[in-house]
Amino acid sequence: DTAVSQTPKYLVTQMGNDKSIKCEQNLGHDTMYWYKQDSKKFLKIMFSYNNKELIINETVPNRFSPKSPDKAHLNLHINSLELGDSAVYFCASSQPQGFSYEQYFGPGTRLTVT
Amino acid sequence: AQTVTQSQPEMSVQEAETVTLSCTYDTSENNYYLFWYKQPPSRQMILVIRQEAYKQQNATENRFSVNFQKAAKSFSLKISDSQLGDTAMYFCAFSLDFGNEKLTFGTGTRLTIIP
Repeated sequence: DTAVSQTPKYLVTQMGNDKSIKCEQNLGHDTMYWYKQDSKKFLKIMFSYNNKELIINETVPNRFSPKSPDKAHLNLHINSLELGDSAVYFCASSQPQGFSYEQYFGPGTRLTVT
Repeated sequence: AQTVTQSQPEMSVQEAETVTLSCTYDTSENNYYLFWYKQPPSRQMILVIRQEAYKQQNATENRFSVNFQKAAKSFSLKISDSQLGDTAMYFCAFSLDFGNEKLTFGTGTRLTIIP
């Protein structure tokens, strides 16, 4: 049973295109996140949603638009893709449960813009 | 803003030996949470160990343990009896809130276990 799933796992596209990455979690968590891992492996938060409401937006270009149709899904749409958008994008979810707090990560989506 | 620093970009150790990965952080808050995540070549992010700042006792998970020095803002990870499967990138991470806050990551340490 996959806890946090992302589709697709690999995405190759050309500059200027629009693409979406989907994320689903079956853990019943209220909070979901998008992180970006660049070519140097540095991981940085992009967005956070709690129960479909945007909580964190970390100075991400307007070309990136997250959408949460329900609390189990958080999708990432990217307009007018640029070479610098090439990275691995991770979705994650979390829920405070006593002292077992943990962010569960999806497998990542490797986006390559050519 | 909180920052996390990992000063060792790469490390290698012989199988079965012990290795310690360093992490320092900066925050003005008193309550927070620290984590070590492992990222093997499969790129899956796996939680190795967590530490709540209000707890004085260092966390331990099997062969993994931490040395948490709150005053020094230091959070090192010790891996005992290292195994080939421990080869991975290791990220130190910081979080302010409990379950509804972002993780701030360090730049990572690439650990290689040599057979």
